[in-house]
Amino acid sequence: EAQVTQNPRYLITVTGKKLTVTCSQNMNHEYMSWYRQDPGLGLRQIYYSMNVEVTDKGDVPEGYKVSRKEKRNFPLILESPSPNQTSLYFCASSLGVNNEQFFGPGTRLTVL
Amino acid sequence: GENVEQHPSTLSVQEGDSAVIKCTYSDSASNYFPWYKQELGKRPQLIIDIRSNVGEKKDQRIAVTLNKTAKHFSLHITETQPEDSAVYFCAASGTDRGSTLGRLYFGRGTQLTVWP
Repeated sequence: EAQVTQNPRYLITVTGKKLTVTCSQNMNHEYMSWYRQDPGLGLRQIYYSMNVEVTDKGDVPEGYKVSRKEKRNFPLILESPSPNQTSLYFCASSLGVNNEQFFGPGTRLTVL
Repeated sequence: GENVEQHPSTLSVQEGDSAVIKCTYSDSASNYFPWYKQELGKRPQLIIDIRSNVGEKKDQRIAVTLNKTAKHFSLHITETQPEDSAVYFCAASGTDRGSTLGRLYFGRGTQLTVWP
C-alpha cells in the first residue's frame, strides 16, 4: 500500500531534550516536506527536499534540522525543543513540487 | 517568494447551496494550484488541482477556476452536503528568492461548515 508514515504519532517531552520525528514513504517520491499546523495559521512549511542531499528552508525553519540521506526517509530533528514548537506536524511526499502531495498521519508534539 | 492569501477564513452555508473560496497569489511564474481538504482530525488530501495552461477544471461537484492575469484562483463547490464540512487549503507553487528549488505555498485555510 502506497503511504507516508510518521513516528511517533504523539509525543510529550520537556524543553531541551533532543528528539527526532521520522518520516518514510514507499512511493519512490523525490519531493518531501515537513509542515507544522497551528490554529489560525494553516500549514507552514518547515523544510523541503527535492532529492537526496538536496534540502532547503521553508517559512519557519528556526529550531529544526532535517536530513535526506535516503530517498525514502526525511527525518525532522529538534535539537533543543522549546514550548513554542508544540504543534501538529505533517510530513508529505510527491513526485515533484507540481504534483499531488501525500501527507502522513501527523505527529502531535507537546513540549513542556 | 510567493504569497498566497485565502478568503474567507470561515464560511457557513445551507446544505444544497454553493460555496466559493478565493485565493490570490503574487508570483506570476507560479504554474500549479492545488486545493486540499482536511477533515477534522485527519490529514490534508488533494481534492482538485489546476495548472497554468488551463482556465477551469471540474470534477463532479467541485470546480476550480484560474485567472492568471488577475493572479487569483477559486474553488467552487455546488450542491453542498454536510460531509463537505472541513478546512480547505489552497496552494501555489513558486520559488523563494535566492533559491533554485521549487516549493508549495499554502493559504491559511477556510473552515467550511455545511448545515443540514
